[in-house]
Amino acid sequence: AQSVTQPDIHITVSEGASLELRCNYSYGATPYLFWYVQSPGQGLQLLLKYFSGDTLVQGIKGFEAEFKRSQSSFNLRKPSVHWSDAAEYFCAVVHRGGAGNKLTFGGGTRVLVKP
Amino acid sequence: GAVVSQHPSRVICKSGTSVKIECRSLDFQATTMFWYRQFPKQSLMLMATSNEGSKATYEQGVEKDKFLINHASLTLSTLTVTSAHPEDSSFYICSANEGLTDTQYFGPGTRLTVL
Repeated sequence: AQSVTQPDIHITVSEGASLELRCNYSYGATPYLFWYVQSPGQGLQLLLKYFSGDTLVQGIKGFEAEFKRSQSSFNLRKPSVHWSDAAEYFCAVVHRGGAGNKLTFGGGTRVLVKP
Repeated sequence: GAVVSQHPSRVICKSGTSVKIECRSLDFQATTMFWYRQFPKQSLMLMATSNEGSKATYEQGVEKDKFLINHASLTLSTLTVTSAHPEDSSFYICSANEGLTDTQYFGPGTRLTVL
């Protein structure tokens, strides 16, 4: 069965500094990978996704992620964090086939931004 | 594009009553929608997969008679929490699978409080 691990539960970063959120997955086939962001009391917003092709994918809000098959990782990065980036971030892998495309989520990483 | 709405955004009800939550894909059709439950400071837990025109598929441990799901059209799925108890209080989030992009888009969530 597939699984997703986000090793960092919390990350605190200063505004303007760079941010990297780690995501490792376990999946038998080529994965479909996603990063979502959730602000308090809100639903999830898609930041970016990787299906195939270029392993460096660009998303919204200045985020990017790099798929590294050899490391089973899909880390999310942003060069310069803004205070509005404070939120919960979820990495997910999709299980294709069966009853629709079910997502398996990591436990999430909460990002706090210091002024 | 790819907007999903949920209604209501928050609801308070008495124990023993039933509550219906609607999930709509506003600008695309979704043969598959998903219902999640999220406890404070935790990741999303998939409850069931809602398939248009057929019965929902429930995850292990989710009571199908308690959480009734109906997916009567390609843009609407409903979750009815029957005979609600205080332990059903939670944040419920739906998502809709956009078939052309194989991507799930999430609603803003519904905060249910059972008194």
